[in-house]
Amino acid sequence: AQSVAQPEDQVNVAEGNPLTVKCTYSVSGNPYLFWYVQYPNRGLQFLLKYITGDNLVKGSYGFEAEFNKSQTSFHLKKPSALVSDSALYFCAVRGVESGGFKTIFGAGTRLFVKA
Amino acid sequence: NAGVTQTPKFQVLKTGQSMTLQCAQDMNHEYMSWYRQDPGMGLRLIHYSVGAGITDQGEVPNGYNVSRSTTEDFPLRLLSAAPSQTSVYFCASSYLSPGGNEQFFGPGTRLTVL
Repeated sequence: AQSVAQPEDQVNVAEGNPLTVKCTYSVSGNPYLFWYVQYPNRGLQFLLKYITGDNLVKGSYGFEAEFNKSQTSFHLKKPSALVSDSALYFCAVRGVESGGFKTIFGAGTRLFVKA
Repeated sequence: NAGVTQTPKFQVLKTGQSMTLQCAQDMNHEYMSWYRQDPGMGLRLIHYSVGAGITDQGEVPNGYNVSRSTTEDFPLRLLSAAPSQTSVYFCASSYLSPGGNEQFFGPGTRLTVL
């Protein structure tokens, strides 16, 4: 069965410092990996995805993520955090199960960027 | 282009009552899905659809029913509400291709079952 783990409930960083939000996954076949962000009282917004190709994926708002097949990880990164990056971040995966139509989300990691 | 819309935004039900959460999208997306969001558990897939007339179960389908009569609409029905169904519900849509397309989410419906 597909699964996603986000091992940190919360990540705290100072503004201007680099940030990393961790994600590991388990899936049959090649994974399709996604990061979404949720601001308070809003729906989720897409940040970036890995389908195939270059292991380093760049997305919206200066975020990037690195796909590591051997470690089954897809960590979200940003070189310099902003206070406005404070939000809830979700990692998600789709595999070949159910024809690739089921997206499984992690529990979420709350990012807090301090000024 | 309104994207994905959901109604109502808030709803309070009594145990045993039924109701329908509405979801509509105007992007001509074939794929639509319903999730519930609970603290510490992320989003869990309830039901999904790959086109009009085609639906399938997700991770937590019990107590919910769906149908897809048009491309635009994907309502979620609670047959007999229970306190365990207190949650925030999100509808999402995307173009259809196995795996690769990101989903667009609605603003959510906050449901409380007393």
